[in-house]
Amino acid sequence: GENVEQHPSTLSVQEGDSAVIKCTYSDSASNYFPWYKQELGKRPQLIIDIRSNVGEKKDQRIAVTLNKTAKHFSLHITETQPEDSAVYFCAASQASGGSYIPTFGRGTSLIVHP
Amino acid sequence: DVKVTQSSRYLVKRTGEKVFLECVQDMDHENMFWYRQDPGLGLRLIYFSYDVKMKEKGDIPEGYSVSREKKERFSLILESASTNQTSMYLCASSSLGQSNTEAFFGQGTRLTVV
Repeated sequence: GENVEQHPSTLSVQEGDSAVIKCTYSDSASNYFPWYKQELGKRPQLIIDIRSNVGEKKDQRIAVTLNKTAKHFSLHITETQPEDSAVYFCAASQASGGSYIPTFGRGTSLIVHP
Repeated sequence: DVKVTQSSRYLVKRTGEKVFLECVQDMDHENMFWYRQDPGLGLRLIYFSYDVKMKEKGDIPEGYSVSREKKERFSLILESASTNQTSMYLCASSSLGQSNTEAFFGQGTRLTVV
């Protein structure tokens, strides 16, 4: 099955700095890569995703890049703010009978210091 | 607004009890999932279902079973609860197909087995 490695497990930055979280996956058939943000005490929510036919995607201060050859993808957050503090999960998935079953990384706890 | 609702936010059960965790979604999603969330281990898939009465094992199905008698409801069953099943349990749902693959999560059930 798919295996997703995520680094770092904890990331501490100053407000205004950039933050980068990296993930690798094992199954070359994976073709959909979502990122979820989980604030303390809340449910995970999708913040951005990328498909294997795209190398980069941006949405305001967040961007995701994908390198299919190397089987790794990254989340970039620019101009970090205290409200960006949360646990971030990457996931890799592929279609199985029409359903996408995400395999998650272990999560990165991002702390943004004001 | 998509809603995935788990029946309990907190549960305390005794070792050996049979435990039912219920999840209901209102978006007519085909796919439903049960994940277990533990610190440092991320979200691990227990079971998923892509249709009524259909179920597939995830990465850690041992000690668990599931039931999906209606499309909107997916139940996780701990046949004989053990202390190592103390955890946060998250239900999620998503639609079939490649155009909309976002997983929507419930608020989680924190289960303590004593």
